[in-house]
Formats: sequence, structure tokens, C-alpha cells
Amino acid sequence: AQSVTQPDIHITVSEGASLELRCNYSYGATPYLFWYVQSPGQGLQLLLKYFSGDTLVQGIKGFEAEFKRSQSSFNLRKPSVHWSDAAEYFCAVGSMNRDDKIIFGKGTRLHILP
Amino acid sequence: GAVVSQHPSRVICKSGTSVKIECRSLDFQATTMFWYRQFPKQSLMLMATSNEGSKATYEQGVEKDKFLINHASLTLSTLTVTSAHPEDSSFYICSARVGPLYNQPQHFGDGTRLSIL
Repeated sequence: AQSVTQPDIHITVSEGASLELRCNYSYGATPYLFWYVQSPGQGLQLLLKYFSGDTLVQGIKGFEAEFKRSQSSFNLRKPSVHWSDAAEYFCAVGSMNRDDKIIFGKGTRLHILP
Repeated sequence: GAVVSQHPSRVICKSGTSVKIECRSLDFQATTMFWYRQFPKQSLMLMATSNEGSKATYEQGVEKDKFLINHASLTLSTLTVTSAHPEDSSFYICSARVGPLYNQPQHFGDGTRLSIL
């Protein structure tokens, strides 16, 4: 069964600084990978997804993520964060099987210092 | 595109009341919708998968008689929390998948904050 780990519960960066949120997955075949963002009291918004092809994926709001099979990672990056990026970020992995489930990591809360 | 509307956004009610939460896909047809529960500062816990025209598939440990799910059309799924108790208080989120393929992403509603007094 697939699983996903987000090692950092909290991350704090200064506004304008670069950001990298870590995500490691476990799956026997090529996974389908997602990053979602959740603002307080709201649902989840899809930032980007990876299914196949180019391992560097561009998303919305200036985010990108790179799929590294050798490291079983799908880290999320942004070159310069804005105060509005403060939120909870979830990495998720999907299965190629008929099993419909997407498994979510426990999330990383991003704090932005002014 | 791919907008999911969830209603109501917040419910406060007395213990023993049944509460219905609606999840609508506004600009696409969703053959599959998902219901999640999120505890404070935790990840999403999948409760059930709702397929249009058929019975929902519940995750282990989720009481199907407690959490009734109906997916009567390609744009609407409902979750009814029957005889709600304070331990049912939580943040409930629905999502809908665009198209039938299992590798397509889910799009989420804004959630419903349920508080049982």
C-alpha cells in the first residue's frame, strides 16, 4: 500500500525567502503525486500534480515540485514566499490500481515572518 | 473550473439531531465523490467513497448507519450524520473527482464545521 511522509510539522521562513517542503512516498510502482494547500477553516486547493513525463512540475501561485524517483521524494518549492502563502500544505499519493484512495501526508504548517 | 461547493459551512446543533451536508460539483460531473473528516491540526481521514447510483464504500471503522451517504446524481452527494453526538464534532470535507480515471485529482469543497452541543 502506498504511504506518504511529510517530515516537517512546522516550517518558518521570512517573507521573500525561498521555500522547500519535503515529501517522501512509498509505493511499488510509479505513483501519482499531488500537493494541496489548506487555509484555516477551508477546504484543500490543488497546487500541482505529477503523473508522468517531466519530473519538474509547475503549479499555481508560483509553486513547483520535483519528482525524484531515486529518493522517493516530491518536494515542493517556491523561490520567494509571500505572507499569503502561510497555510497548511499536504502532499498526497495516489495509486495506479483500481483502488480509488488518495493517501494524504500529515501536513506541514508554513509560517511566514514579516 | 472544477469547483466544488459544500453546504453548510458551519453547523451548531444539539445532541441527537441529524445533520445533512451537501457536496455539489458546480461545473463538472463527478462520478466519484469522497468524504473526509479532519481533526484539529491533523490530516484528512477518508471516511467513504461515494459513487453515483451505487452504495458508498466505507473505510474500516466508519459506521455506515451513523454516516449516511447518498450520491443520487452526478453533481450531488450528501452526508447525513444521524443522531449526532459531541464526539461527532469535527471538520468534514468533501471532494469530487473530475472524470472516471483513478489518476485524476480530487477537487475539494470548503468544508463544514460541525459542532454538537
